[in-house]
Amino acid sequence: GAVVSQHPSWVICKSGTSVKIECRSLDFQATTMFWYRQFPKQSLMLMATSNEGSKATYEQGVEKDKFLINHASLTLSTLTVTSAHPEDSSFYICSARASGPTGGLFTEAFFGQGTRLTVV
Amino acid sequence: QKEVEQDPGPLSVPEGAIVSLNCTYSNSAFQYFMWYRQYSRKGPELLMYTYSSGNKEDGRFTAQVDKSSKYISLFIRDSQPSDSATYLCAMSKAAGNKLTFGGGTRVLVKP
Repeated sequence: GAVVSQHPSWVICKSGTSVKIECRSLDFQATTMFWYRQFPKQSLMLMATSNEGSKATYEQGVEKDKFLINHASLTLSTLTVTSAHPEDSSFYICSARASGPTGGLFTEAFFGQGTRLTVV
Repeated sequence: QKEVEQDPGPLSVPEGAIVSLNCTYSNSAFQYFMWYRQYSRKGPELLMYTYSSGNKEDGRFTAQVDKSSKYISLFIRDSQPSDSATYLCAMSKAAGNKLTFGGGTRVLVKP
């Protein structure tokens, strides 16, 4: 399958600082990327849908000003957690859907490795 | 009621047994169905995807979709300890749409 690389895999930051997480599609162009949050032993919660060159669409209850998403190119989307607090500590995962031949007919989504954020 | 229901487990089986997983859903608009495997502290890995009703086989994995019953299944034959993970079902209404996930089933394959 296609490869999605997420960086960093883990990060510890101080409360009040901002953290940027990168999501890259390595071998395909991703017109759409998704950002999820996952709490321990729970499923993935969709935070926002990011389309290249346009504003992200946030799910209900997700603070747009706190979780800034940028999808500046067909291979890169970033999530910035601004003014992080301990309650933002979580596992953040991105996924990408391919455009063109790599995506196939069923547009399956490929996931990054995830980023474990700990805010102290 | 959640749109997609999945038993959280854990489901414990001996090595070599068949693992049977399933999800039920309530929205008949779902047409694309996927199964992901997630190891602890890793991103989900796509195992199988199917469109509409039917069966699909890939190696030790078989996915089944019964849209009339709103029920999907994943079978893992000859299970190995390395299959121990959380298995997530996911579905979407149309190509390119966001995925709706089940809660995941934790599977333990004992040697």
